[in-house]
Amino acid sequence: AQSVSQHNHHVILSEAASLELGCNYSYGGTVNLFWYVQYPGQHLQLLLKYFSGDPLVKGIKGFEAEFIKSKFSFNLRKPSVQWSDTAEYFCAVNRVGGGADGLTFGKGTHLIIQP
Amino acid sequence: NAGVTQTPKFQVLKTGQSMTLQCAQDMNHNSMYWYRQDPGMGLRLIYYSASEGTTDKGEVPNGYNVSRLNKREFSLRLESAAPSQTSVYFCASSEGWDRGPAFFGQGTRLTVV
Repeated sequence: AQSVSQHNHHVILSEAASLELGCNYSYGGTVNLFWYVQYPGQHLQLLLKYFSGDPLVKGIKGFEAEFIKSKFSFNLRKPSVQWSDTAEYFCAVNRVGGGADGLTFGKGTHLIIQP
Repeated sequence: NAGVTQTPKFQVLKTGQSMTLQCAQDMNHNSMYWYRQDPGMGLRLIYYSASEGTTDKGEVPNGYNVSRLNKREFSLRLESAAPSQTSVYFCASSEGWDRGPAFFGQGTRLTVV
């Protein structure tokens, strides 16, 4: 089965700082890639997804992610964060045609934005 | 509002008791999922149903059973609850299983004492 690594478990930034959250996966074949966000006390919401095509994907709330196949990475970025971006962020990977084991999530990155 | 609805939101069980978590979606999605979320572990797939009439084990199926009652509903049953099953449970749905879950329910916080 594939694995997903999110390198930073906790990130603290000031408002207006730029954000990049790392995500790497282990599967060598074709993948679908996702970023989810979970605001405090709420359920997960899909931020953005990559299936094919342009490797730079734009999502909701000004987030974007770039798929770099050679690096097995799908890093999440935002040029200027806001206090309301404080949340837990999860990267997830799904193998395409690789078997019936669904979506694998990373352990999450807890992002705190200080005003 | 369209989405995924889970019940109950909170539950406390004694070890050995049984219960069923209910999930329904009204988006005509083919695939439905049950995940558990534990601190520092991310989300782990318990079972999923790629389409109506099919169910498959995920990463952590032991101690659980599921039923895809119809296209809308996907329930998770704990036959004999154990403290290790204390967790937050999320149901999710998507158009197709290889597209990943697009919508999540609000979650069920289960405590087994």
